[in-house]
Amino acid sequence: DTAVSQTPKYLVTQMGNDKSIKCEQNLGHDTMYWYKQDSKKFLKIMFSYNNKELIINETVPNRFSPKSPDKAHLNLHINSLELGDSAVYFCASSKRTGIEQYFGPGTRLTVT
Amino acid sequence: TQLLEQSPQFLSIQEGENLTVYCNSSSVFSSLQWYRQEPGEGPVLLVTVVTGGEVKKLKRLTFQFGDARKDSSLHITAAQPGDTGLYLCAGPLTGTSYGKLTFGQGTILTVHP
Repeated sequence: DTAVSQTPKYLVTQMGNDKSIKCEQNLGHDTMYWYKQDSKKFLKIMFSYNNKELIINETVPNRFSPKSPDKAHLNLHINSLELGDSAVYFCASSKRTGIEQYFGPGTRLTVT
Repeated sequence: TQLLEQSPQFLSIQEGENLTVYCNSSSVFSSLQWYRQEPGEGPVLLVTVVTGGEVKKLKRLTFQFGDARKDSSLHITAAQPGDTGLYLCAGPLTGTSYGKLTFGQGTILTVHP
């Protein structure tokens, strides 16, 4: 059973397009996250939701909009994609904030 | 400013060698976690250290948390090719809201057969 799943695994799109990445966790966790990993492998938090409420919103362009329809799902919508958005995006979850996190397999986004 | 500094950034060794990866900060952490990430996968939690001076062992991996809770190390004995991957330390800074995790920049380990 996959604990944290993301779709799609790969996403190749052109500048200016709008795209979404979906995330689901079946661990019963209360908190979910979106991270961006750049080409140097640095992992930086973007957003965090606890019980469907946004609790962490880092300095991220407002072209990025997370949505949590329920505790088990956290989606990421990106408008007007730019070349600099190319990265691997990871979804993660934890039982509560500040403790061990379980990561999804990542979505490699390539903007051309 | 990198709150968690990992060193070395790259490590290439032969099977059977020992190695140590360091994770240092000028800030105090309530706990530190170590993750391993393999190519094309997400990070997987290896261990969490909570108490200053704590030592935890996971087979050939030994993790230590500094007495002042500002640093940690990961020591691998007799490294194997299966240990190859990106090792990340992470921790919630004390006093931060909602326990936001800060990650180190990672150590890429390659173990050659």
